[in-house]
Amino acid sequence: GENVEQHPSTLSVQEGDSAVIKCTYSDSASNYFPWYKQELGKGPQLIIDIRSNVGEKKDQRIAVTLNKTAKHFSLHITETQPEDSAVYFCAAVNDYKLSFGAGTTVTVRA
Amino acid sequence: ETGVTQTPRHLVMGMTNKKSLKCEQHLGHNAMYWYKQSAKKPLELMFVYSLEERVENNSVPSRFSPECPNSSHLFLHLHTLQPEDSALYLCASSQDGGPENTDTQYFGPGTRLTVL
Repeated sequence: GENVEQHPSTLSVQEGDSAVIKCTYSDSASNYFPWYKQELGKGPQLIIDIRSNVGEKKDQRIAVTLNKTAKHFSLHITETQPEDSAVYFCAAVNDYKLSFGAGTTVTVRA
Repeated sequence: ETGVTQTPRHLVMGMTNKKSLKCEQHLGHNAMYWYKQSAKKPLELMFVYSLEERVENNSVPSRFSPECPNSSHLFLHLHTLQPEDSALYLCASSQDGGPENTDTQYFGPGTRLTVL
């Protein structure tokens, strides 16, 4: 089955700085890579996703890159704000299944 | 609001109790999912239903019994649980749960379950 590794497990950044979270996956058949943000007391919310035929995607302050050859993908948040503080999960989809990374707790310091 | 609701939001039960978790999606989706989220572990897929048929049972113990009466509702029946089953149980839905599914999954807020 798919194995997704996510780093770092915790990340503290100064407000206004950038945050980068990296994930690797094991199954080359995975073809869809969503990123979720989970705030306290809520379920995961999709913030951006990328499909295997695209190398990069951007949505305002959030961008995701995908390197299929190396089997890794990354989330970039620029100009971080206090409301970006949350747990972020990467995932890879292969044959119905969404396999999640262990999560990164991001803290934005004011 | 994601269009996926779950009740109850919190549940405390003894090991001999029987209880049920309910999920409802208002998105017109055809696939629904149960996940387990434990502290310091990745989300674990438990069950997948597509068009009300179970298409995945991810080696889940029989003390967890899912039911999908229609494409909008999903239940998780619980009986004789163990303390290690305490976790956040998340429901999700997507447009289609078929092979090579790349549809976005939308999550509910979860039910925080504590087994005493």
